[in-house]
Amino acid sequence: AQKITQTQPGMFVQEKEAVTLDCTYDTSDQSYGLFWYKQPSSGEMIFLIYQGSYDEQNATEGRYSLNFQKARKSANLVISASQLGDSAMYFCAMREGLVDAGGTSYGKLTFGQGTILTVHP
Amino acid sequence: SQTIHQWPATLVQPVGSPLSLECTVEGTSNPNLYWYRQAAGRGLQLLFYSVGIGQISSEVPQNLSASRPQDRQFILSSKKLLLSDSGFYLCAWIPGFSGTDTQYFGPGTRLTVL
Repeated sequence: AQKITQTQPGMFVQEKEAVTLDCTYDTSDQSYGLFWYKQPSSGEMIFLIYQGSYDEQNATEGRYSLNFQKARKSANLVISASQLGDSAMYFCAMREGLVDAGGTSYGKLTFGQGTILTVHP
Repeated sequence: SQTIHQWPATLVQPVGSPLSLECTVEGTSNPNLYWYRQAAGRGLQLLFYSVGIGQISSEVPQNLSASRPQDRQFILSSKKLLLSDSGFYLCAWIPGFSGTDTQYFGPGTRLTVL
């Protein structure tokens, strides 16, 4: 069974508008982390935002916010005021597993299949 | 500053040839290190991870292997490449004793096996 599901293969948005990229996950762990990464055509994976399973507030990082709905097991990425440079592949990922006393994760990331976002001028 | 390097950036190898990809990190000690592979148009698949020198965990049985000869060096190898080994290989790390959960990725190596 898929642990991370991104149901939108491609999304289009007009410049300066907001867009939501969907992500649902499946885990039986109580402690887990959810991540979003951006991969432009260069291939580099760029970390955008993180949400811990115990975090009560939705994570925000500049124009990125994560709409975390724990009961529904969804972690959608919202990009506000889209820019042309936001055009890229976006991946949702989940970390399961142990975290040591220092807070460093021994867990591994499971990635979704990605959503290609195209921003139109 | 903390940085991660991968080389080579691109590689074209014949089937049956050996492989060695290198990943090194700077500015930290005792990092967790990871090797991922990305097939064209797909998500990332974890291949190996390491929490310390000489400690390697394998996620997917295949003809690849990994080694960590030094604290900040992680090597992906193969004795004989297959066509199916083509892909984009990414190294990632979590800085040691950082208290962070986030993996940061290197620039990647694009491997084509002909």
